[in-house]
Amino acid sequence: GDSVTQMEGPVTLSEEAFLTINCTYTATGYPSLFWYVQYPGEGLQLLLKATKADDKGSNKGFEATYRKETTSFHLEKGSVQVSDSAVYFCALRGGGATNKLIFGTGTLLAVQP
Amino acid sequence: DAGVTQSPTHLIKTRGQQVTLRCSPISGHKSVSWYQQVLGQGPQFIFQYYEKEERGRGNFPDRFSARQFPNYSSELNVNALLLGDSALYLCASSLDYGYTFGSGTRLTVV
Repeated sequence: GDSVTQMEGPVTLSEEAFLTINCTYTATGYPSLFWYVQYPGEGLQLLLKATKADDKGSNKGFEATYRKETTSFHLEKGSVQVSDSAVYFCALRGGGATNKLIFGTGTLLAVQP
Repeated sequence: DAGVTQSPTHLIKTRGQQVTLRCSPISGHKSVSWYQQVLGQGPQFIFQYYEKEERGRGNFPDRFSARQFPNYSSELNVNALLLGDSALYLCASSLDYGYTFGSGTRLTVV
């Protein structure tokens, strides 16, 4: 079945460092891909999305490119801030009647001042 | 506009009890989905409802049930609670293919 694999955390960075969180997927067909962020004690917020190959999603300085040839959707940010500290989830939405989201296990990012 | 609202925010139940969680979608959103997020893991799909009909069900036992009302709000019921049901339960509403999540209900089973 469809699945998402993302790098384990925690990822600890200093402020203004470059961030990469790896995400790969397995899916039949052409899924849509998402990154969600979860701040402590809160629900999930959509960070960015891409719906077809070579699409680049971007938001708040974060970017991810849908790479069909490597089945990847890595999250990047050029300069992280303390306020970016959160758990990041990669997810895919496959086909079918439900269009349910399938999530990775999440990656905790801790940014130190 | 109000976002997706869930109630209660926290609750504690004893093993064997039953619990009902509630979700109000964004106005105009006709689809509601439920997810279970166990500590340290990603959310797992439980149910999806659209126009009051079940559209899909995840790999959860029959102790889990849900329904959607004419105003598109939804309830998730869990019977015969187990310790392993302790989790954050997330509701998401959608108009087309975009999902907006609520802040969740934190259920602790003791």
